[in-house]
Amino acid sequence: DGGITQSPKYLFRKEGQNVTLSCEQNLNHDAMYWYRQDPGQGLRLIYYSQIVNDFQKGDIAEGYSVSREKKESFPLTVTSAQKNPTAFYLCASYSPGTGEYFGPGTRLTVL
Amino acid sequence: SQELEQSPQSLIVQEGKNLTINCTSSKTLYGLYWYKQKYGEGLIFLMMLQKGGEEKSHEKITAKLDEKKQQSSLHITASQPSHAGIYLCGADGGSNYKLTFGKGTLLTVNP
Repeated sequence: DGGITQSPKYLFRKEGQNVTLSCEQNLNHDAMYWYRQDPGQGLRLIYYSQIVNDFQKGDIAEGYSVSREKKESFPLTVTSAQKNPTAFYLCASYSPGTGEYFGPGTRLTVL
Repeated sequence: SQELEQSPQSLIVQEGKNLTINCTSSKTLYGLYWYKQKYGEGLIFLMMLQKGGEEKSHEKITAKLDEKKQQSSLHITASQPSHAGIYLCGADGGSNYKLTFGKGTLLTVNP
């Protein structure tokens, strides 16, 4: 079945560490997105990519980095420069019929 | 940039009651998407509306886009505990495959 997978589901990070969140899709979608979700703030766009080897900053890109070397994969690295990284992270890809198709999310907690 | 305002922010209803959630845009909507999210999970697509005056239904959920294409409403008839969750609207402003999201409405249905 086609879909988006995110791993891990839960991630714990010590302060000062970089961590990478995985996002893979087998839907053959060109565009992919990373969002951060905090209580009461809705979804905030971190980065998005419309084609391979190209990506754009969203509204809150500081402290994050991405790569898009393959169409299927759009990993997000949360760097030590991100001051408040504890949040729920959602990856999505674009489908003309349903807007954005979401993965199950990764909950990151800084210890 | 386009902004979406959802109301109410939260809603508690008794099982069997009807309810309505609104989504108002600061600009004309080219496409309006409704999603549902259970806590700690990804967003699930419900419906997409594109034409002014359009109305779609799925089971007991009906969504409408007004004629001027700046407001949408989501109506649930005879609510059930399974309807509980966060409902988010997303808008296509007409460019870049990028959706803008409202902050969500938290629905609680008491048995």
